[in-house]
Amino acid sequence: DVKVTQSSRYLVKRTGEKVFLECVQDMDHENMFWYRQDPGLGLRLIYFSYDVKMKEKGDIPEGYSVSREKKERFSLILESASTNQTSMYLCASSSIGVRAYEPQHFGDGTRLSIL
Amino acid sequence: KNEVEQSPQNLTAQEGEFITINCSYSVGISALHWLQQHPGGGIVSLFMLSSGKKKHGRLIATINIQEKHSSLHITASHPRDSAVYICAVRVWYSGGSNYKLTFGKGTLLTVNP
Repeated sequence: DVKVTQSSRYLVKRTGEKVFLECVQDMDHENMFWYRQDPGLGLRLIYFSYDVKMKEKGDIPEGYSVSREKKERFSLILESASTNQTSMYLCASSSIGVRAYEPQHFGDGTRLSIL
Repeated sequence: KNEVEQSPQNLTAQEGEFITINCSYSVGISALHWLQQHPGGGIVSLFMLSSGKKKHGRLIATINIQEKHSSLHITASHPRDSAVYICAVRVWYSGGSNYKLTFGKGTLLTVNP
């Protein structure tokens, strides 16, 4: 069965901390995505990656960075966490080329609280 | 104005009712997704469609490309259908070799027994 695994379901951190959210997929997908989901705003794309060491900014990249050193792993980094980054974070992956017509697969999400 | 608009935002129904959720979009797309998210849970893809109609069990999704509109129907609704339903449109970029999704804000459906 296909799987996108996020390292934590719930996480509590303090303002100013550097926070790492990890995502691993076992489907050999080229694309990986990080979204945040907030009430009334829906899902918004933070960053995505279409290959190892490649990344592109999404709609709301400010305050975040990403790392993709291996194809199966995509990390979201909050350089200096702030309270307005309290949110649900969702990772997703998908294929490209002839498999691009398959849907994205999502992880279960990490609910991050910044105090 | 959002590129993807869903209606209604909230919907409460009695078990057995026929339910319709609507999605309108303003950009050119290659496909449209309907996604389901249960409370506290991850997101699963229900349908991906680029034309016509698809059916899976009690769920039916339709799309009208000319009118830039899609609907998700649930027949004989059940309390276990209670979830957030999200419409997302797929937009090609990078010369058509890759894509990204733009999402509606979701419709919270509650089906009471």
